[in-house]
Amino acid sequence: AQSVAQPEDQVNVAEGNPLTVKCTYSVSGNPYLFWYVQYPNRGLQFLLKYITGDNLVKGSYGFEAEFNKSQTSFHLKKPSALVSDSALYFCAVRAHRSNYQLIWGAGTKLIIKP
Amino acid sequence: DTEVTQTPKHLVMGMTNKKSLKCEQHMGHRAMYWYKQKAKKPPELMFVYSYEKLSINESVPSRFSPECPNSSLLNLHLHALQPEDSALYLCASSQDGELFFGEGSRLTVL
Repeated sequence: AQSVAQPEDQVNVAEGNPLTVKCTYSVSGNPYLFWYVQYPNRGLQFLLKYITGDNLVKGSYGFEAEFNKSQTSFHLKKPSALVSDSALYFCAVRAHRSNYQLIWGAGTKLIIKP
Repeated sequence: DTEVTQTPKHLVMGMTNKKSLKCEQHMGHRAMYWYKQKAKKPPELMFVYSYEKLSINESVPSRFSPECPNSSLLNLHLHALQPEDSALYLCASSQDGELFFGEGSRLTVL
């Protein structure tokens, strides 16, 4: 079965510290992986994606993610957290043999404390 | 700022009303989507239009009726909804895999 797991419901980080939001996946074939962010009362915004190539992907707002095939993980990282990074983060993987369907993680609430 | 525009931002309707949600994008994307999102949950796919044709219907009740008048517009017609249909309805478009979402229409069914 295809699935995405975000093992932490909430992550708390002090401003200026590095942050990591975890994501692991299970999907047939080569994974197309995505991270989205949702600020309160807003729609989702695309952060970054991995399709092929370099395992370290850089995205918007200083975020990056590392694809690890052996661990089937795609963790989201940022070297120095900002209070404005506080939001809900979703990891997603494209369903096998589908151009349109994504399998979503449950989401992780990131709280950055001043 | 989003390039996918949704109207209205908020909608309150009774169970016997008929209303419509509207979505517009001018990025030339050929795939457009409707998602439903409950609070603090991931979005749930409802419909996908590809090149203006309905490509995916995720077993959505018939009280939700999508329409794609042209490549830039997507509507969701609502009729005889239930209180459990109250949610944030998100429109999105895509071209190379990643989705571009609108800000959503927050629907409350009384």
